[in-house]
Amino acid sequence: NAGVTQTPKFRILKIGQSMTLQCTQDMNHNYMYWYRQDPGMGLKLIYYSVGAGITDKGEVPNGYNVSRSTTEDFPLRLELAAPSQTSVYFCATSRGGQPQHFGDGTRLSIL
Amino acid sequence: EDKVVQSPLSLVVHEGDTVTLNCSYEVTNFRSLLWYKQEKKAPTFLFMLTSSGIEKKSGRLSSILDKKELFSILNITATQTGDSAIYLCAGSKETSGSRLTFGEGTQLTVNP
Repeated sequence: NAGVTQTPKFRILKIGQSMTLQCTQDMNHNYMYWYRQDPGMGLKLIYYSVGAGITDKGEVPNGYNVSRSTTEDFPLRLELAAPSQTSVYFCATSRGGQPQHFGDGTRLSIL
Repeated sequence: EDKVVQSPLSLVVHEGDTVTLNCSYEVTNFRSLLWYKQEKKAPTFLFMLTSSGIEKKSGRLSSILDKKELFSILNITATQTGDSAIYLCAGSKETSGSRLTFGEGTQLTVNP
């Protein structure tokens, strides 16, 4: 039982490049979330989804896009990478009202 | 705007000490308060508190919520070096997909 799987684990991008961070879950949870965590800081919500086909913005959505075509997958897209997007990105899932379970994160550096 | 504030931001103690971590919150449509422990990678769930005044306990860790004063504490007794981590507090909403607002975290270092 894998839980929440994020790929890749590490990535270096050049300014202006684009990429997709993958998140897959096998827990059949309806709710999925993307967070970023900057050094020495807590987690900030980028986007979330309460089910397939439904997404909504969190605290810091600018520069990112998401889609949710299936229950299992919730990819996060960076279209034009900027140095300010250097961070560790966490995907999480939950059943509504229950604790969120986190993936191991993607460490992204933009140079 | 929802806000969660943790204190202290960092704490250094010796093995065997007891520590208290604080978390205050202002979250509209508040549902529950959650504590997570973060070592090198993903935050791992410790407690979810929904009702005021009811202590939750797991081994040497315990936590309680005060919904009138809008705060929670996490206690760790007889600390061990393995307790060294960042402890994150988060407020959950009734609406908006049960989204979490996190505090900055408390960096706990337990020295032998």
